[in-house]
Amino acid sequence: ETGVTQTPRHLVMGMTNKKSLKCEQHLGHNAMYWYKQSAKKPLELMFVYNFKEQTENNSVPSRFSPECPNSSHLFLHLHTLQPEDSALYLCASSQGPAEGYNEQFFGPGTRLTVL
Amino acid sequence: LAKTTQPISMDSYEGQEVNITCSHNNIATNDYITWYQQFPSQGPRFIIQGYKTKVTNEVASLFIPADRKSSTLSLPRVSLSDTAVYYCLVGDMKNKAAGNKLTFGGGTRVLVKP
Repeated sequence: ETGVTQTPRHLVMGMTNKKSLKCEQHLGHNAMYWYKQSAKKPLELMFVYNFKEQTENNSVPSRFSPECPNSSHLFLHLHTLQPEDSALYLCASSQGPAEGYNEQFFGPGTRLTVL
Repeated sequence: LAKTTQPISMDSYEGQEVNITCSHNNIATNDYITWYQQFPSQGPRFIIQGYKTKVTNEVASLFIPADRKSSTLSLPRVSLSDTAVYYCLVGDMKNKAAGNKLTFGGGTRVLVKP
């Protein structure tokens, strides 16, 4: 248990569906992240939020839409996805920026399958 | 962020010490060296972080030579549950502007056999 929870743990969706992934951290952190991990590929950073403000969008397609309503919650809204978007989506949080970022705490991930 | 190179995979046996070396020839003055562990279908977990010389915690030791162009993660007396992928990352983690952008490479897949 890392203090970062993600729901759902597994999601199967069609290419025309709209779904959302949810992440919640109970660590009092100010920074939150979305990562994508495809089979046989390194972890890819997608989005970074500091104090609810998006500070990084790593050239992610617009069919992925993040939302950070407060420092404890992070969402990833999905629409018109492609089969190649099937992957493990990981949320993480950390201190910072004032304290320095140090370690990131990861959630268990959502295994997404796009049919 | 500095590029890192580490072996793709390593096999070991229960009770042995596992040492994974990571090369980071272009490490910058302000960069720290951080190692994460990832089990299948889980998020990575922070193991250890260091800047120079030797760092030890309850899980592992990190050896960093004086030139800092490489580092070695040492896992003492591994068990079957240490089978995982281990990632070496280098970056200025204290940088308030960019210290949170972690770049994960392929990692080292460690298999501990009985």
